[in-house]
Amino acid sequence: GESVGLHLPTLSVQEGDNSIINCAYSNSASDYFIWYKQESGKGPQFIIDIRSNMDKRQGQRVTVLLNKTVKHLSLQIAATQPGDSAVYFCAETPSGGSYIPTFGRGTSLIVHP
Amino acid sequence: AAGVIQSPRHLIKEKRETATLKCYPIPRHDTVYWYQQGPGQDPQFLISFYEKMQSDKGSIPDRFSAQQFSDYHSELNMSSLELGDSALYFCASSQSRGRQETQYFGPGTRLLVL
Repeated sequence: GESVGLHLPTLSVQEGDNSIINCAYSNSASDYFIWYKQESGKGPQFIIDIRSNMDKRQGQRVTVLLNKTVKHLSLQIAATQPGDSAVYFCAETPSGGSYIPTFGRGTSLIVHP
Repeated sequence: AAGVIQSPRHLIKEKRETATLKCYPIPRHDTVYWYQQGPGQDPQFLISFYEKMQSDKGSIPDRFSAQQFSDYHSELNMSSLELGDSALYFCASSQSRGRQETQYFGPGTRLLVL
């Protein structure tokens, strides 16, 4: 039978399209956010981060947008490639206290050639 | 570039047995983190160490213990294994302990408890 959590949200795109992966975070006190990419059978890999005093940060082919008003984070991948296929996690770190980021629910990105 | 090394990569145990997972951080990284990831789940933080001392504690069961040794490698000891302990166990390391220190993850140990 089915188990809660086995079915990740999935985004399917064609190679060359732009992808947008969304994340709602829970703690309004979080002030540091990270996006990770996890390929099958591998550990999460850091992609990009953003501090709460920013609303946008760009990397190579990736852009992270932060909307603190609605506690929303997004990862935009330009010209998506088959190698981008993976599960993407956002993680939040609250200000003060713990240094440990809390991972959100992952999104599975499938890129079709 | 050197990465985080974990051993073993795969482990099969029976219920009530014990298991020891090992983690070798990136050279000159003094902080190690352990995570558990169930199928289709996000990584759940278990415990971390900074300069050989326990730093932060997450949802680590009392049946589990961990330590960081003088060479900065870490071991996660799991006793009285239960079926629900079957998961991927990741170790990550960072250059220091800090809120914006990037964590570099190892390839994980896949534990199956029968």
